[in-house]
Amino acid sequence: DVKVTQSSRYLVKRTGEKVFLECVQDMDHENMFWYRQDPGLGLRLIYFSYDVKMKEKGDIPEGYSVSREKKERFSLILESASTNQTSMYLCASSSTGGVQGGYTFGSGTRLTVV
Amino acid sequence: GENVEQHPSTLSVQEGDSAVIKCTYSDSASNYFPWYKQELGKGPQLIIDIRSNVGEKKDQRIAVTLNKTAKHFSLHITETQPEDSAVYFCAATPLNAGNMLTFGGGTRLMVKP
Repeated sequence: DVKVTQSSRYLVKRTGEKVFLECVQDMDHENMFWYRQDPGLGLRLIYFSYDVKMKEKGDIPEGYSVSREKKERFSLILESASTNQTSMYLCASSSTGGVQGGYTFGSGTRLTVV
Repeated sequence: GENVEQHPSTLSVQEGDSAVIKCTYSDSASNYFPWYKQELGKGPQLIIDIRSNVGEKKDQRIAVTLNKTAKHFSLHITETQPEDSAVYFCAATPLNAGNMLTFGGGTRLMVKP
């Protein structure tokens, strides 16, 4: 069964901490995405990557960075966590030749910043 | 860029009734329209999709219709069951968007037993 795996289901971090959210996919997909999901706001794109070492800003990149050193792994970094970054974070991947097969999402990481 | 609006934001139906969720899109170049279901505590999962050369597609109790002229598409769930309760997202992608989906705001469907 193909998978997108997010390393943590729940995280609690303190304000000002540097936070790493990890995502790994086993489908050899070229494209990977990070979204945050908040009540009433739907899915908002933070960053995406079409290739190793490549990254592009999404709609809400402020306060975040990403790293893609290997094709299968896409990391989201909160440089200095703040309480307004408390949210559900979703990673997704897709194939370059097959976005019209949709995205495959991970199960999400619910991050709480206190 | 593409903009997708989804209605209603919440929908409550009695078990056995039908449910309809509607989405409109702005970019006439969009040619692929997937629907995702997100159960509590899980990531969204693709449940059905439709391409712009097709007007309707069915898979058991779910169906999607597309009206390219009006730029809207809808998800229809018949004979709803409690396990259909979830958040549903529509999405669209234009031809020139590479591999980027634009999502609607989501609909929370509650099926009452």
